[in-house]
Amino acid sequence: EAQVTQNPRYLITVTGKKLTVTCSQNMNHEYMSWYRQDPGLGLRQIYYSMNVEVTDKGDVPEGYKVSRKEKRNFPLILESPSPNQTSLYFCASSPSPLAGRNYYEQYFGPGTRLTVT
Amino acid sequence: GIQVEQSPPDLILQEGANSTLRCNFSDSVNNLQWFHQNPWGQLINLFYIPSGTKQNGRLSATTVATERYSLLYISSSQTTDSGVYFCAVEGTGNMLTFGGGTRLMVKP
Repeated sequence: EAQVTQNPRYLITVTGKKLTVTCSQNMNHEYMSWYRQDPGLGLRQIYYSMNVEVTDKGDVPEGYKVSRKEKRNFPLILESPSPNQTSLYFCASSPSPLAGRNYYEQYFGPGTRLTVT
Repeated sequence: GIQVEQSPPDLILQEGANSTLRCNFSDSVNNLQWFHQNPWGQLINLFYIPSGTKQNGRLSATTVATERYSLLYISSSQTTDSGVYFCAVEGTGNMLTFGGGTRLMVKP
């Protein structure tokens, strides 16, 4: 089944304790991205990756890191989580929306609910 | 960046009723998607519809790109349709910009 998976789905942690949220897709998509969803602010993009070893900042990258060593995986790293990073996180993927080519539908993972105390 | 506005923000329906949700956007777009976020928080793809009309069961969507709006129609609503409906657009960048959503409650 074609899908985007995220782990963990739920996480409660403490301020300053490094954590990684994994994202994996089995559709051979070049493009992957991370969003966070907060009440009243909607969904906002954190980072995106056009392909392996190519990443770039979205709207709200502060406090996050990403890596794209393999095409299928795009982990989100919080080096020193803070309470303002408590949020619902989504990973998404699609074929690459390169200039001059068609844009494609983005597929979202099930979400990771993170609480930082 | 592109502004996306959805209306109405909240909607309460009796089961079996029909409804129309609207999405207005401020600039030309290369991608427009409708999502349903269920009570467990999952985002379900409903339509990829940068232009034209599509139908899937009781749901259909129309995007008029030249007039910068899209409509989502829900017919014969069911309680399982409850949740938040999001419109998201992608302009020349590589990011989906989401509207504020329409929160739908369908009562039995």
